[in-house]
Amino acid sequence: EVQLLQSGGGLAQPGGSLRLSCAASGFTFANFAMIWVRQTPEKGLEWVSAITGGGDRTYYADSVEGHFTISRDNSRNTVFLQMNSLRAEDAAVYYCAKRSSVASGWIDYWGQGTLVTVSS
Amino acid sequence: EIVLTQSPATLSLSPGERATLFCRVSQNIGGALSWYQQRPGQAPRLVIYDSVNRASGTPARFRGSGSGTDFTLTISSLQPEDFAVYYCYQRHAWPLTFGQGTRLEIK
Repeated sequence: EVQLLQSGGGLAQPGGSLRLSCAASGFTFANFAMIWVRQTPEKGLEWVSAITGGGDRTYYADSVEGHFTISRDNSRNTVFLQMNSLRAEDAAVYYCAKRSSVASGWIDYWGQGTLVTVSS
Repeated sequence: EIVLTQSPATLSLSPGERATLFCRVSQNIGGALSWYQQRPGQAPRLVIYDSVNRASGTPARFRGSGSGTDFTLTISSLQPEDFAVYYCYQRHAWPLTFGQGTRLEIK
């Protein structure tokens, strides 16, 4: 059974940092791309970042380019999202998700989500 | 950026009725569209991938169709558990994008 267990998140001050983690199980982690998606009532679902199975290519939405970093540790079956210089508009529920192939594909499984709040 | 426009925003139907949800895409994406169901307080769940393929565990009453710029999700006979928000999503080009959702509510 595929499972994506998220951790991290919580409250950060504007300009602060948070690191989200997503531990995967139930599949051969290195064979699949992973992504982060966030959700707010105002904007709905918004893709944030993606990384290929080998970690050799990363992609970012314009809104987070330069202040978020996606990475993965295939030895620990975990994907990360380092969020720096947080802004009020980064507040959202963040989901990690698995794609259906090593480089792309549809999203086939989602983590449980983690709330990020940005406030002083 | 590829824009996905879902309609209607809200659909009010009774159990047993047929639901038809639409997703119009701003440029040709072939069949690279999927549909997700999200119940309150839960993560989205894959329903249909690559326009027409039911995901594992998706009941046969769900049918996806379309290609290019116009896509449809049809639920043939609504069950109580089908009332949720449905999102379409394209993987054809970066940035990956989602529709704004259709809320399927009980009439």
